[in-house]
Amino acid sequence: QVTLRESGPALVKSTQTLTLTCTFSGFSLSTSGMCVSWIRQPPGKALEWLARIDWDDDKYYSTSLKTRLTISKDTSKNQVVLIMTNVDPVDKATYYCARTSDHAKYYFDYWGQGTVVTVSS
Amino acid sequence: QSALTQPASVSGSPGQSITISCTGTSWDVGNYNLVSWYQQHPGKAPRLIIYEVTERPSGVSNRFSGSKSGDTASLTISGLQAEDEAAYYCCSYTRYNTLFGGGTKLTVL
Repeated sequence: QVTLRESGPALVKSTQTLTLTCTFSGFSLSTSGMCVSWIRQPPGKALEWLARIDWDDDKYYSTSLKTRLTISKDTSKNQVVLIMTNVDPVDKATYYCARTSDHAKYYFDYWGQGTVVTVSS
Repeated sequence: QSALTQPASVSGSPGQSITISCTGTSWDVGNYNLVSWYQQHPGKAPRLIIYEVTERPSGVSNRFSGSKSGDTASLTISGLQAEDEAAYYCCSYTRYNTLFGGGTKLTVL
């Protein structure tokens, strides 16, 4: 079955770089059409899409955060990594990775359980 | 781009039907049939319940249905049940980006 699991530091300091890893199973990111996105949710607030990487290594970023984000994949390890630079306390959130099984459909059919990140000032 | 607009809260009694709206623009909801809806219980990850405006994933109750008119998409839940109490988020593709709504808290009275 399809599973995704996020991992990374629970606490980072303001201005530092945050690195999050999504490790998945049950599908391959080398399969045509497959994509993985990162989505976050500040406490008590709405979901916010951050970035997506496709099976063919195409990458897409939120227009408001694109200067701070880098997404990459390691197909052999079934992992997707998100790097966020210059973090701020407003970046405190639960970070989810989620799968899209058809690059043209833009919906998220499987989600990880999320990882909570706090940013200290 | 701004988030899609949803009512902050809706409520209904068991057995009733409710509808949650999701208003975008001609650049997103109005231009693409790529609206999806997610249900999120407290402390849990979101769960896909509607995709491509009207389609239901396997395993999702047929009490959930979606529609769209112009720049506004809607989620209807019929025959409300206690377990439907959750937050609901709409989502739409827009060119090179993906937008979520602000979320709607459904209370089952």
